Amino acid sequence: EAGVAQSPRYKIIEKRQSVAFWCNPISGHATLYWYQQILGQGPKLLIQFQNNGVVDDSQLPKDRFSAERLKGVDSTLKIQPAKLEDSAVYLCASSNFMNTEAFFGQGTRLTVV
Amino acid sequence: GQQLNQSPQSMFIQEGEDVSMNCTSSSIFNTWLWYKQDPGEGPVLLIALYKAGELTSNGRLTAQFGITRKDSFLNISASIPSDVGIYFCAGQLRNQGGKLIFGQGTELSVKP
Repeated sequence: EAGVAQSPRYKIIEKRQSVAFWCNPISGHATLYWYQQILGQGPKLLIQFQNNGVVDDSQLPKDRFSAERLKGVDSTLKIQPAKLEDSAVYLCASSNFMNTEAFFGQGTRLTVV
Repeated sequence: GQQLNQSPQSMFIQEGEDVSMNCTSSSIFNTWLWYKQDPGEGPVLLIALYKAGELTSNGRLTAQFGITRKDSFLNISASIPSDVGIYFCAGQLRNQGGKLIFGQGTELSVKP
């Protein structure tokens, strides 16, 4: 079974530029999560989708971050404009249903300079 | 909001030694999960615990869901060099849609 796919693996941008990350969850997984992991910390949830609906986006900085999962499968996370403090690893995870184990992709390491 | 306190922050051990790390919270969780993260990779699920008091093993790894539902521990027996990495605990709440709250991680170094 293929795991969670994310791209790109690495991205370096200048502050105030925009960037987008892509995630393809495990086939059949209805729940998709985006987490932000700052160096030296545990992942922190940004947004959770159930199919194509948002379940929790309470920690998403909505003035600059947006995410969508239009057909209930792939998802994109966008940052516009980026700030230096957005430098982090952005992890996508998926699970069969809510409240079951989540499986993570390899992440996208973003560096904002 | 909920917070998890994971300890120790780091451990330096000799190959063959046993390791123990734990996670505590002021909140009750329905599920505890333990993940391992290697450099440049995403977290990989090691063990999932669903019931208070549950003790579960996965090879040399053993984890327990605390009776109070506010804590969990992970033991690694007879450590080997490939055990090196960062171990995270995560608590999950049913009434929050499965959202995971992560600890700060325990960085394990194993000296051959």
